[in-house]
Amino acid sequence: SQQGEEDPQALSIQEGENATMNCSYKTSINNLQWYRQNSGRGLVHLILIRSNEREKHSGRLRVTLDTSKKSSSLLITASRAADTASYFCATDPNAGNMLTFGGGTRLMVKP
Amino acid sequence: DAGITQSPRYKITETGRQVTLMCHQTWSHSYMFWYRQDLGHGLRLIYYSAAADITDKGEVPDGYVVSRSKTENFPLTLESATRSQTSVYFCASSGRDTQYFGPGTRLTVL
Repeated sequence: SQQGEEDPQALSIQEGENATMNCSYKTSINNLQWYRQNSGRGLVHLILIRSNEREKHSGRLRVTLDTSKKSSSLLITASRAADTASYFCATDPNAGNMLTFGGGTRLMVKP
Repeated sequence: DAGITQSPRYKITETGRQVTLMCHQTWSHSYMFWYRQDLGHGLRLIYYSAAADITDKGEVPDGYVVSRSKTENFPLTLESATRSQTSVYFCASSGRDTQYFGPGTRLTVL
């Protein structure tokens, strides 16, 4: 069963636009993480936000977390064709290395 | 080279055969994981290991066997492969919060 559910399942935008992906989860968490997967590759960790944090930035990435709504969003600003990938949220309930992944959002950035 | 590697990268086998997928990490991470990724299901955890000689089942363990005699290696064996085990298999390791993934093994069972 998937703890996190991403929305939308697929997103197509033009280069330079912002991309927003959402993740909803069901149970309490210690932290929530976002990963990127390029086609045919393994997942790469992007950013981690802890349950006591509301917003976090890393370069062109901005992650928000609303524990009252059990939801998170990932914003990629000024997108590039190289951002084309699938993006997964993953929840960690206990800070014990165990993650449950959502189904992912497929992002296509058109040049 | 440092990192996490998987072998083979591609494997075609027949129903009923035994197949072993290898995973090796050079970070001495305590935790290691095996996932399978199928269209429409995202990543599903098969087995994980918290340390050498300690393994536990994940969400979809049936038909798979793991061992971890050394910290750096975590092989996954399909004892009698079935067509439903056609998938992409990812190994990951973790020392703290985040997981580091291998490149994956694409397994086809005919």
